[in-house]
Amino acid sequence: EVQLVESGGGLVQPGGSLRLSCAVSGFNVNSNYMSWVRQAPGKGLEWVSIIYSSGYTHYADSVKGRFTISRDSSKNTLYFQMNSLRTEDTAVYYCAQPTFDYWGQGTLVTVSS
Amino acid sequence: DIQMTQSPSSLSASVGDRVTITCRASQGIANYLAWYQQKPGKVPKLLIYTASTLQSGVPSRFSGSGSGTNFTLTISSLQPEDVATYYCQKYNSAPWTFGQGTKVEIK
Repeated sequence: EVQLVESGGGLVQPGGSLRLSCAVSGFNVNSNYMSWVRQAPGKGLEWVSIIYSSGYTHYADSVKGRFTISRDSSKNTLYFQMNSLRTEDTAVYYCAQPTFDYWGQGTLVTVSS
Repeated sequence: DIQMTQSPSSLSASVGDRVTITCRASQGIANYLAWYQQKPGKVPKLLIYTASTLQSGVPSRFSGSGSGTNFTLTISSLQPEDVATYYCQKYNSAPWTFGQGTKVEIK
């Protein structure tokens, strides 16, 4: 059974940092793409980042240069390092393989002073 | 970057009605288009991939069509449990942009 379990969300001040983790079970985190999707309160889904099996990464313009996606195959875990956080980054963050219908439960990141 | 535009942004229809949601890409994306359903407080659920392939377990009243730049999600007979927000997403190449969503309600 495939499971994606996020952790690491919380309250952080503007300009601060957080690292999200997504523990994967049921498949190898290196075997296919993995992505992060976020949803601000009351808003739609926003694609944020992807890492392909090749290691190629891509980011939405809204987070480019501030956020970094990575993975650790020994821990079968996906990561999302978020630096220079802004109030507009407040959202539920999902790790996902959406086209395979694999989603985590989401972790809430709140950026506020 | 390719933009994805959904219409309408919301709709209200009666149980049993045929409902159509459209998604337009600003450039061609072949058939690399998925549709998702999200109910309030829930994780999104994949309905359709490669524009017209029904995900396993999804009721047959849902269907998708289109290729290139114009795509459609159709609910052939709207049911109360279909109340949700629906999103399209392109995945031919990054960024894998979502449409802005269509909120479906029962009249």
